[in-house]
Amino acid sequence: DIQMTQSPSSLSASVGDRVTISCRASQAISKYLNWYQQRPGKAPKLLIYGASTLQTGVPSRFSGNASGTEFTLTINSLQAEDFATYYCQESYSSPLYTFGQGTKLEIK
Amino acid sequence: EVQLVETGGGVMRPGGSVRLSCAASGFIFEHYGMTWVRQVPGKGLEWVSGINWNGDNRRYRDSVKGRFTISRDNAKNSLYLQMNSLKDEDTAFYFCARVAAGSWRELDYWGQGNLVTVSS
Repeated sequence: DIQMTQSPSSLSASVGDRVTISCRASQAISKYLNWYQQRPGKAPKLLIYGASTLQTGVPSRFSGNASGTEFTLTINSLQAEDFATYYCQESYSSPLYTFGQGTKLEIK
Repeated sequence: EVQLVETGGGVMRPGGSVRLSCAASGFIFEHYGMTWVRQVPGKGLEWVSGINWNGDNRRYRDSVKGRFTISRDNAKNSLYLQMNSLKDEDTAFYFCARVAAGSWRELDYWGQGNLVTVSS
């Protein structure tokens, strides 16, 4: 089974900061990597699919990148509504999926 | 507007059964694969089961194999998860989600989640 290692598990930042969250796959998954945002008490929301394609309606301050088995989610100029938990997910194994452990982004 | 609405959760006894339903609207349901994802309160996301568009390909995570059954009724635009022999560790919010039609198989729409609590 593919393992997804996400880091850091938590992150403190201020409005206006730039933050990067990382996700590593245990084997090659091409670009089958997706990112989700989850606010407290809400369902996950798709942000990025195919490692770097922004879902419709997602602000352009969000971006994704891939290098081999290493993937990153970058948020430029953090806004108040961005403080949430972020998950990576591999869809290479679809219909099986594996999520990363999550990164909780908190206000400093 | 795409909508997924889960129903059927509640408090169950260990060893008991429950069926979750997910009512879909706003899209052609039979064109899409569907999944169930769960989340223990305060913890991360965990894929549970998936089904292709016509139901002839179903997959489960190891911990629920033989206990859970995913199914769908395309005529009723509905997805189901029959959960038998419930264990304490099945306590979680259960989300249904749609598998996007494109190449990357991402989960593009999610329901609001439904809490299943297994407790004696």
